[in-house]
Amino acid sequence: KQEVTQIPAALSVPEGENLVLNCSFTDSAIYNLQWFRQDPGKGLTSLLLIQSSQREQTSGRLNASLDKSSGRSTLYIAASQPGDSATYLCAVTASGTYKYIFGTGTRLKVLA
Amino acid sequence: ETGVTQTPRHLVMGMTNKKSLKCEQHLGHNAMYWYKQSAKKPLELMFVYSLEERVENNSVPSRFSPECPNSSHLFLHLHTLQPEDSALYLCASSQGGGRYNSPLHFGNGTRLTVT
Repeated sequence: KQEVTQIPAALSVPEGENLVLNCSFTDSAIYNLQWFRQDPGKGLTSLLLIQSSQREQTSGRLNASLDKSSGRSTLYIAASQPGDSATYLCAVTASGTYKYIFGTGTRLKVLA
Repeated sequence: ETGVTQTPRHLVMGMTNKKSLKCEQHLGHNAMYWYKQSAKKPLELMFVYSLEERVENNSVPSRFSPECPNSSHLFLHLHTLQPEDSALYLCASSQGGGRYNSPLHFGNGTRLTVT
């Protein structure tokens, strides 16, 4: 049974710092992995999707990497800003299924 | 504007009431999802519809009844709920599910409180 873990559960950093959020999964037979952002009281916004054959994806200040064999993904945020404050979630799915398994998220606070 | 619209945003209902949550997507996707988000727990998949056919049903109690009349609309009918059903209910859509590397697009959710 696939399980997704995100550590740390919460993180506070000063503005401008580069930071790394971690996601680990127990079954390496994934089809893709997605990173999402959730603002308080809102839905999730998809940030990056990494296919199982890819090693990384980049969008602006965000870079996500995937090491499928070790069951890990990281989300790198460069030059963090207060507007980056949100909860970040990762989710994985297996081939041929509609079921995405989510982690519990990392709550990020970037201090001005 | 996310492309996925959920109504109402907030709902308070008694345990004997019947209510419905509505979701509409304007993205041309063919799969729609209901998720439940409770405090300190991972998102729980409830139902998935692909081309208006239910393809996932995650052991959800029968007091939750989904309906997908077409690929753009999804409903969740609620009756005789329990206080532990209070949560944020999120609707999402995608093109083809996990087979097509299509991102999930979420609505802003309905915050449900059962009294």
